[in-house]
Order: sequence, then C-alpha cells, then structure tokens
Amino acid sequence: GAVVSQHPSWVICKSGTSVKIECRSLDFQATTMFWYRQFPKQSLMLMATSNEGSKATYEQGVEKDKFLINHASLTLSTLTVTSAHPEDSSFYICSARRAGTSGREDTQYFGPGTRLTVL
Amino acid sequence: AQSVAQPEDQVNVAEGNPLTVKCTYSVSGNPYLFWYVQYPNRGLQFLLKYITGDNLVKGSYGFEAEFNKSQTSFHLKKPSALVSDSALYFCAVRVLNSGNTPLVFGKGTRLSVIA
Repeated sequence: GAVVSQHPSWVICKSGTSVKIECRSLDFQATTMFWYRQFPKQSLMLMATSNEGSKATYEQGVEKDKFLINHASLTLSTLTVTSAHPEDSSFYICSARRAGTSGREDTQYFGPGTRLTVL
Repeated sequence: AQSVAQPEDQVNVAEGNPLTVKCTYSVSGNPYLFWYVQYPNRGLQFLLKYITGDNLVKGSYGFEAEFNKSQTSFHLKKPSALVSDSALYFCAVRVLNSGNTPLVFGKGTRLSVIA
C-alpha cells in the first residue's frame, strides 16, 4: 500500500519560534501534496495544495508568509510554521496523491499527523 | 462548488448490531466519493471509494457503502459492529477527472460501539 510519513509526530515550541514539519511519501512519487489542519473534534481544513517544483496554492484565509510550504521533490513536502503563536496549536495532516495516476488509482493517502503545541 | 454533509455528529450502536453512518454530497460533475476513518491522534486511514460501476462498494474491515445518485448519498454501512470500530469517520468528495483538486471533507461522525 501507499505510505505517507510525517515528522515529527508531535512538537512543543515556544511562542515566536519556527517549526518545520516534514511529509514524505515512502513508496510512491507524489506530484501533489496537500496540507490540512484539524482542530479538536472538527473536520479537516485544507490549508494549501503543493505541486512538486512550483509554488503552493493557499486556501483563502491561510497566510502564506506564516505557513511556508516547500515541495522540492516527488517524495517530500515541508510545512514551516513561522513565528508560531499559541493559536497555531493544532493537528497538522499532510496528504499525497500518487503521481501519474487517474481514475481508479487516484487516491489521496494521509500521513499520521503532527500535533503542534505552542506555549 | 462541492460539499459534503454528515448530518450526525455522533452515532451509537451496540456491538453486533448493524451500523450506518450517513453522508450526502453536492458536486457539479460526476462524484468521486471516499470514506476515511481516524483513530485518536492519528491520521486518516482509507476505507473505500466509489468512482463508477457497481453502486455497492466494499472496503476495508468489513465496511461497505452504497452510492445513490438520485438521493446524492453515500452512506457507510457494516452488518455487525465491533467495539474496535469506534472512531471518527469522514466522508469526502471530489469531482472525477478534475485534475489536482483536493478532497472536500464532511465534518465527521463519531461512531461509538458499545459492548
């Protein structure tokens, strides 16, 4: 099956610092990766869509200068939360879509999530 | 625009009984429908998907879902619930052959199976 990993699985940081979260597709190449944010007992909110080698497309209301996304290779995307504040505390989940697929193979696979706590 | 509605925040069912988690959708083209399950502090696990063909889709862990075009529904079902099925379930949709558009999720339904 298709496996997506995230690192770290949890992180605690001080207000004002930056945190980088990595998302890797372990056994497939992903031309497209998605970053979601989930608040307690709520659904997933799409933050941005990231295509390999190009700038990410951010959803309305998501600050691109605060949430920096880099998709430098077909297996790695990173989300950096810059100058984090307590309101950025959340569960961040990445998702990858297998490259070169359509129809029946076109499934989004999700990472296990990263819980960020900003003190 | 595409959207998904999961009308129930919580579903409670006794172990061994059949379970249904409801989902309705709205899209402007042919839908591509998914169910995912999330356990506490974990990411989403894929259960099943519908693209075309047979309206009854069978997935992981004994789950199945029935696509009903006239009612724009894609309810998740299981004939006999297990305590281990207790989790948060998400229905999601995107338009078939719509390029890199992401999945749109419902708000989730928490399933509690009681022994």
